[in-house]
Amino acid sequence: RKEVEQDPGPFNVPEGATVAFNCTYSNSASQSFFWYRQDCRKEPKLLMSVYSSGNEDGRFTAQLNRASQYISLLIRDSKLSDSATYLCVVNDYKLSFGAGTTVTVRA
Amino acid sequence: EPEVTQTPSHQVTQMGQEVILRCVPISNHLYFYWYRQILGQKVEFLVSFYNNEISEKSEIFDDQFSVERPDGSNFTLKIRSTKLEDSAMYFCASSGSGMPYEQYFGPGTRLTVT
Repeated sequence: RKEVEQDPGPFNVPEGATVAFNCTYSNSASQSFFWYRQDCRKEPKLLMSVYSSGNEDGRFTAQLNRASQYISLLIRDSKLSDSATYLCVVNDYKLSFGAGTTVTVRA
Repeated sequence: EPEVTQTPSHQVTQMGQEVILRCVPISNHLYFYWYRQILGQKVEFLVSFYNNEISEKSEIFDDQFSVERPDGSNFTLKIRSTKLEDSAMYFCASSGSGMPYEQYFGPGTRLTVT
C-alpha cells in the first residue's frame, strides 16, 4: 500500500462551485498532516495544517479521520486562482507526499 | 515574509560531474530538508538535517549524496558523480521546532544531467 494515496482527478469545476477530495494514508502512527498546493513547475506551498478537530481557513476546510486514516479538503466558492495540484502530505518526521489532485476552475 | 531561497535556479551538468545545490533556509528555523521531484512524479524526501547532522535519509540518498551546513546560513546538497536519472527539481525546505513541524519550501533548482 502506498504511504499516501490521492485521487489524481482532474476535477474540472466552474467558478463558484464547491469541490472536495480525499486522501488516505497508511501509517496509523502518523502525527501531523498538511495540504500543500503546487502550481506547474513551482515549489509546494503550504495551504494548511490539518488538525484532528477539523479546521477552516477562509474558503478551505480540512478534515482528518484517524480511524479511517483519511484526510479531506473542501474548497468553497472556487476561484480561477484555485486551479492547481493539491498535495496531501503526511509528516512522520519527513514529509510523505501524495501524487496530487489536479483541480481546474473554469470561468 | 521570510522565505527559503535556492541557487542556482537551473543547473545543467554532464554525467559524472559533481554539483552543489545551495539553499538559505528561513533564519530562525532549526530543521532542514532536501526533496526532489522528477518531472511528472511526486515529491520525494531525500534527507533531513538537524543540529549539524543527518537525522533521517531515504534510500535515494546514497553515498553519491551529501549535505552540509558550512556556515550559519547556507545548507548545501552535493551530488558527487551525477547520473542521467538525477535530473529533477530539487527543493530545499526548512521548519521551526514544535508540532506540527510545518515545512516551507524554496523555489527549487532544476538539475539537468546530459
